[in-house]
Amino acid sequence: EAQVTQNPRYLITVTGKKLTVTCSQNMNHEYMSWYRQDPGLGLRQIYYSMNVEVTDKGDVPEGYKVSRKEKRNFPLILESPSPNQTSLYFCASSLNNEQFFGPGTRLTVL
Amino acid sequence: GQSLEQPSEVTAVEGAIVQINCTYQTSGFYGLSWYQQHDGGAPTFLSYNALDGLEETGRFSSFLSRSDSYGYLLLQELQMKDSASYFCAVWGDMRFGAGTRLTVKP
Repeated sequence: EAQVTQNPRYLITVTGKKLTVTCSQNMNHEYMSWYRQDPGLGLRQIYYSMNVEVTDKGDVPEGYKVSRKEKRNFPLILESPSPNQTSLYFCASSLNNEQFFGPGTRLTVL
Repeated sequence: GQSLEQPSEVTAVEGAIVQINCTYQTSGFYGLSWYQQHDGGAPTFLSYNALDGLEETGRFSSFLSRSDSYGYLLLQELQMKDSASYFCAVWGDMRFGAGTRLTVKP
């Protein structure tokens, strides 16, 4: 089954404790991206990757890092999480103009 | 600036037709997409318009006017399961609108 997976689905952590949210797709898509979704703000792009070893900032990259060592994986790294990064995060991969979203990761930073 | 504007809420009854408008202001535009998101779920792709005109997919249609920087999603024969949030998104800038919450009442 073609899909985008994310882990963990839910995470509660404390300020400053490094964390990684994994994202994997099995559709051989070149384009992958990370979004955060906050009430009233829609989805805002954090980082995107056009292909392996090619990443670039989206609209809200501050406080986040990404890597793209393999085509299928695109992890999101929060080196020192802060409470303002409490949000719902979605990973997506794209073929042409259609984006396929993962199930989401609900992150709470205390 | 760069932005997408869409109504925050729309309410309609089962069987009716509803139109959700989206106006955009963006620097990089290749086309306009629409996504549906049910509460607790992930956004799912509905449609994409790269050229002016109407695209129809079953009960859903999407329209684009590039000269007016405007598009809409038209939902016909509304069903209760259509209650969800709908987002317009610009392909190019990869920007999303804030979403329109559609409530379908019996």
